[in-house]
Amino acid sequence: ILNVEQSPQSLHVQEGDSTNFTCSFPSSNFYALHWYRWETAKSPEALFVMTLNGDEKKKGRISATLNTKEGYSYLYIKGSQPEDSATYLCAFIGLTGGGNKLTFGTGTQLKVEL
Amino acid sequence: GAGVSQSPRYKVAKRGQDVALRCDPISGHVSLFWYQQALGQGPEFLTYFQNEAQLDKSGLPSDRFFAERPEGSVSTLKIQRTQQEDSAVYLCASSLVGHLGELFFGEGSRLTVL
Repeated sequence: ILNVEQSPQSLHVQEGDSTNFTCSFPSSNFYALHWYRWETAKSPEALFVMTLNGDEKKKGRISATLNTKEGYSYLYIKGSQPEDSATYLCAFIGLTGGGNKLTFGTGTQLKVEL
Repeated sequence: GAGVSQSPRYKVAKRGQDVALRCDPISGHVSLFWYQQALGQGPEFLTYFQNEAQLDKSGLPSDRFFAERPEGSVSTLKIQRTQQEDSAVYLCASSLVGHLGELFFGEGSRLTVL
């Protein structure tokens, strides 16, 4: 059974704060890691697909890093805004199983307050 | 359409009733996935189609669950003789290249079984 864990489970920050959260996954058998943002009453939206150890990706104020050897990825949000309030999900794909399945963590719920 | 469309958005069923959930993926997307998200959990893989072929159905929790995509576009997830434990959000996603690229999700169908 694959174990993808995210921490913290929830986070409240003030507007303008920078924040980060963690996704840990099995370090063996790694193929790819996805990050998604899921706002209430909307559909999950892809942020990043990461495949290489040491990858760093950026989209606006959001960036992510990947360490496949130790099995973790960090998501950073710089200068949080209320519109960043959402659940952030990471999902792991392993080499076995044909790469058909994303195994999701339970998410980090971010609330940005004015 | 512009995005992945799911219907119904909300469904309340009595225990024992059959339900059908529909997914209309992005035009041209070969791959289609169904995920189930129970309260407080991350989405869990149910099944995967490449065009009309169901390549992986290992995540379907019981033989009461059945999915099809007969013409390689619209997909239907059918649940027979619904049980309370089937209550969840059912997410459909499509992509151009399986899980190698980002998935485009619909808004989900929330099923409540009374």
